[in-house]
Amino acid sequence: DAGVIQSPRHEVTEMGQEVTLRCKPISGHDYLFWYRQTMMRGLELLIYFNNNVPIDDSGMPEDRFSAKMPNASFSTLKIQPSEPRDSAVYFCASSQIGFSSYEQYFGPGTRLTVT
Amino acid sequence: AQTVTQSQPEMSVQEAETVTLSCTYDTSESNYYLFWYKQPPSRQMILVIRQEAYKQQNATENRFSVNFQKAAKSFSLKISDSQLGDTAMYFCAFMKLRGGGADGLTFGKGTHLIIQP
Repeated sequence: DAGVIQSPRHEVTEMGQEVTLRCKPISGHDYLFWYRQTMMRGLELLIYFNNNVPIDDSGMPEDRFSAKMPNASFSTLKIQPSEPRDSAVYFCASSQIGFSSYEQYFGPGTRLTVT
Repeated sequence: AQTVTQSQPEMSVQEAETVTLSCTYDTSESNYYLFWYKQPPSRQMILVIRQEAYKQQNATENRFSVNFQKAAKSFSLKISDSQLGDTAMYFCAFMKLRGGGADGLTFGKGTHLIIQP
């Protein structure tokens, strides 16, 4: 398996623009997580899905952030409008809870820079 | 809500030495997992070791082992015979289990481990 795939790997955009981050989880995994990593706040959970349904979005910082999972093999995290404080590395992770000892497999991350 | 604390922002040891990274956590939950993840400069998150809270036996994976003290809510990572490739950020993480499923991970701030040649 190719592992969790994220695109793009790097994104540079101007303040006010819409940004869409993409994730393809490992086939057969029923959980998908979005995390954000910054120097100030460390790694924090934004939202997660179980069987394509959002379970907990309490970590989403504000209404500018939205996430969808239209099917088992694809998820997006959208920021509209983007702000400089959104600059971070965004990770997607997937898991097959109960079958693989609850391990989460992380993608390579998307480094977002908002100028 | 859970919190995870790593009190050592940075550690440096010589190659082949043994090093212990500290982690404490705070929770009122009884069913949970604990993890150590490694993040090298490539920024890829790599699972090092996991521990189920209901198991008293400490987990071991080759040169990596944990000291899990449930009552003290402590979960330290010991790396034996350290190697240059062990240089990385190490994150302690907590995951609450819920009714056949699980929540996302709560991470500590990380410890930057440097292995000196």
